[in-house]
Amino acid sequence: DAGVIQSPRHEVTEMGQEVTLRCKPISGHDYLFWYRQTMMRGLELLIYFNNNVPIDDSGMPEDRFSAKMPNASFSTLKIQPSEPRDSAVYFCASSFWGSIDTQYFGPGTRLTVL
Amino acid sequence: KQEVTQIPAALSVPEGENLVLNCSFTDSAIYNLQWFRQDPGKGLTSLLLIQSSQREQTSGRLNASLDKSSGRSTLYIAASQPGDSATYLCAVPNSGGSNYKLTFGKGTLLTVNP
Repeated sequence: DAGVIQSPRHEVTEMGQEVTLRCKPISGHDYLFWYRQTMMRGLELLIYFNNNVPIDDSGMPEDRFSAKMPNASFSTLKIQPSEPRDSAVYFCASSFWGSIDTQYFGPGTRLTVL
Repeated sequence: KQEVTQIPAALSVPEGENLVLNCSFTDSAIYNLQWFRQDPGKGLTSLLLIQSSQREQTSGRLNASLDKSSGRSTLYIAASQPGDSATYLCAVPNSGGSNYKLTFGKGTLLTVNP
């Protein structure tokens, strides 16, 4: 298996623009997690899905952030409008119910908002 | 709210040295604790998971211990190698019981010098 795939790997945009980050979980995994990593706050869980349904979005910082999972093999995290403080590395991770303790992380998307 | 602290933030050692990384957490009512490794520009890889009923787990040159009552865990790396250079993070499930929501420490950046 190719592992968790994220795109793009790097994104540079200007304040106010819409940003869409993409994630393809490992085939057969039914949990998907979006994290954000910054120097100041470390790694934080933003939202997670189970069987394509959002279960907990309490970590989503503002209404500017939204996440969707239209099917088992694809999820998006959208920021609209983006702000410089959104600059961070965004990770997607997946796991399955038989081994929920183990999350498999993607390589991350480094977002820079100018 | 669960808080996880890792000390030191950075550590530099010569090759071959044994070393210990520390992790402390504020809420001792945890189901498990995980140690992850993060390489630059890459996602996290789970190294060891210790269930709350266990005292330690070993994998090769790595040994992780858990003392729930004191809210501490250590990761011991024997005979360190330059390839061990990475950031090591510990994580515990959030207070409240959901195993899926992890709280991470900010990590220890380890450099092993040849």
